[in-house]
Amino acid sequence: DQQVKQNSPSLSVQEGRISILNCDYTNSMFDYFLWYKKYPAEGPTFLISISSIKDKNEDGRFTVFLNKSAKHLSLHIVPSQPGDSAVYFCAARKAAGNKLTFGGGTRVLVKP
Amino acid sequence: NAGVTQTPKFQVLKTGQSMTLQCAQDMNHEYMSWYRQDPGMGLRLIHYSVGAGITDQGEVPNGYNVSRSTTEDFPLRLLSAAPSQTSVYFCASSYNGLLTSSGANVLTFGAGSRLTVL
Repeated sequence: DQQVKQNSPSLSVQEGRISILNCDYTNSMFDYFLWYKKYPAEGPTFLISISSIKDKNEDGRFTVFLNKSAKHLSLHIVPSQPGDSAVYFCAARKAAGNKLTFGGGTRVLVKP
Repeated sequence: NAGVTQTPKFQVLKTGQSMTLQCAQDMNHEYMSWYRQDPGMGLRLIHYSVGAGITDQGEVPNGYNVSRSTTEDFPLRLLSAAPSQTSVYFCASSYNGLLTSSGANVLTFGAGSRLTVL
């Protein structure tokens, strides 16, 4: 049973437009959420995170929104750039836990 | 400063063979972990360690062994490889686990080891 789900395996967007990536979770014990970005043949790298006590966190072109009642988070990339083409994973951590649970990933293609 | 180094990058095994995936970090990180990445499944935690001499199981530990004799190294052993273990394996570390009141300690990942079991 996947506790963290990314229901869209892929997303294609035009350069300059907004990319919206979605992530749903089932476990209400998760207290911290992260997004990682992965290029081919490389390890994932941290992008942005949000605590469960917040509903929004922004870092440059990247904004993460958290809707706790819906158990849903989203990552907005504005404006999208060709270098953003990668696989994006959302991840969640249980309070006082030492494990990260990852979603299946969404492959983003930004077309010039 | 090399970060997290994984070796080998590629390996082909026959069913039943054993091997060890090596992971080393030079950042003095206490927390180390192993994940496997499979299509559509994301990254799944195999084993993790919060410090030298301490290891614990993740989501998918069966078929894998780990040990942590030093802070720097966290090898992953496959004792009898099976085709279901064909995957890309990632080692990741962080300074002090995932427990923090001020925010999540960010995991630093290695570049991965692609394993094929025939």
